[in-house]
Amino acid sequence: EVQLVESGGGLVKPGGSLRLSCAASGFTFNSNSMNWVRQAPGKGLEWVSSISSSGSYIYYADSVKGRFTISRDNAKNSLYLQMNSLRAEDTAVYYCARTYYYDSSGRNFDYWGQGTLVTVSS
Amino acid sequence: DIQLTQSPSFLSASVGDRVTITCRASQGISSYLAWYQQKPGKAPKLLIYAASTLQSGVPSRFSGSGSGTEFTLTISSLQPEDFATYYCQQFNSFPLTFGGGTKVEIK
Repeated sequence: EVQLVESGGGLVKPGGSLRLSCAASGFTFNSNSMNWVRQAPGKGLEWVSSISSSGSYIYYADSVKGRFTISRDNAKNSLYLQMNSLRAEDTAVYYCARTYYYDSSGRNFDYWGQGTLVTVSS
Repeated sequence: DIQLTQSPSFLSASVGDRVTITCRASQGISSYLAWYQQKPGKAPKLLIYAASTLQSGVPSRFSGSGSGTEFTLTISSLQPEDFATYYCQQFNSFPLTFGGGTKVEIK
């Protein structure tokens, strides 16, 4: 059974840093691209970042570019999101999600973790 | 960036109703569109991908159609467990984007 378990959320002051982790199990982690998606309280979903299976290709939303860093450790079956220079508007539940390729270019996010809450407030 | 506009943003319906939600893309995205269902306090759940392919385990009352810039999600006969918020997402190009969501509530 595929499982994604996020951790590392919490309360942090503006300008502070936090590192989120996502522990994966039940599938061959190094075969899948992975993603972070966030949801501010009462708001919709926002894609944050994606990383390819090897870590060679990385993409960010403009809203986090230069402040957040996505990474992965395939030996540990883990995905990370290093968040620096945090702002109040980064307050959200952060989900990790697995990319599934159904053909050479088509994909979806087929499994999601339960999310971890990040609150940026003084 | 590709913008996705969902309509309506809010929908009130009764059990047994046929419900249709629309997602319009600001530029053509072929069939690289997925639909998700999200219930309060839960992670999104994949319903439809490639615009019209039903994810394994999803009831057949859900269906998707469209290509290019206009897409629809249809629930043929709304069930109590279908009251939730629905999102579309495009996979044509980065940045990957979501629609604003459609909340389906009980009339």
